[in-house]
Amino acid sequence: GDSVTQMEGPVTLSEEAFLTINCTYTATGYPSLFWYVQYPGEGLQLLLKATKADDKGSNKGFEATYRKETTSFHLEKGSVQVSDSAVYFCALSPNTGNQFYFGTGTSLTVIP
Amino acid sequence: ETGVTQSPTHLIKTRGQQVTLRCSSQSGHNTVSWYQQALGQGPQFIFQYYREEENGRGNFPPRFSGLQFPNYSSELNVNALELDDSALYLCASSSEILNTEAFFGQGTRLTVV
Repeated sequence: GDSVTQMEGPVTLSEEAFLTINCTYTATGYPSLFWYVQYPGEGLQLLLKATKADDKGSNKGFEATYRKETTSFHLEKGSVQVSDSAVYFCALSPNTGNQFYFGTGTSLTVIP
Repeated sequence: ETGVTQSPTHLIKTRGQQVTLRCSSQSGHNTVSWYQQALGQGPQFIFQYYREEENGRGNFPPRFSGLQFPNYSSELNVNALELDDSALYLCASSSEILNTEAFFGQGTRLTVV
């Protein structure tokens, strides 16, 4: 079945460091791929998405490229800030419906 | 602010009891999905409702049931609560059924004691 495997955390970085969070997926067909962010005590917020191969999603300095050949959707940011501290979830939505399959989440802490 | 509201925000129930959680979807959205997020885990799909009909279900037992109303708001009911049902329950709404962004509410934190 469809699934997402996400880099385990927690991840601790210094402010202005480079961030990569790895995500790979298994799916039949051509799913859409998403990164969601969850701040403490809150629900999920969409960070970025890509709906087809080679698409690049970007938002707030974060980027991820839909790589069909490697079934990956790694999240990157060139310079993290303290305010980026949160839990990040990679997710896919199959082309047969709008349910989401989430990874287990990666907790990011950015220290000044 | 996503426009998806859930109630209550927190709830404590005793094992064996029943609970109803509520979700108001974003204006114009006709699809509502429910997810269970255990502590330290990613959300797990429970089921989805599209125009008042169930449209897909995850690996959850029948004691998890739901409804969607004509105004597209939704309820999640859980009977015979177990300790492992303790989790954050998230509702997500979207405007179409396929491959679109879902907007999540802030969730209901259910604790079963």
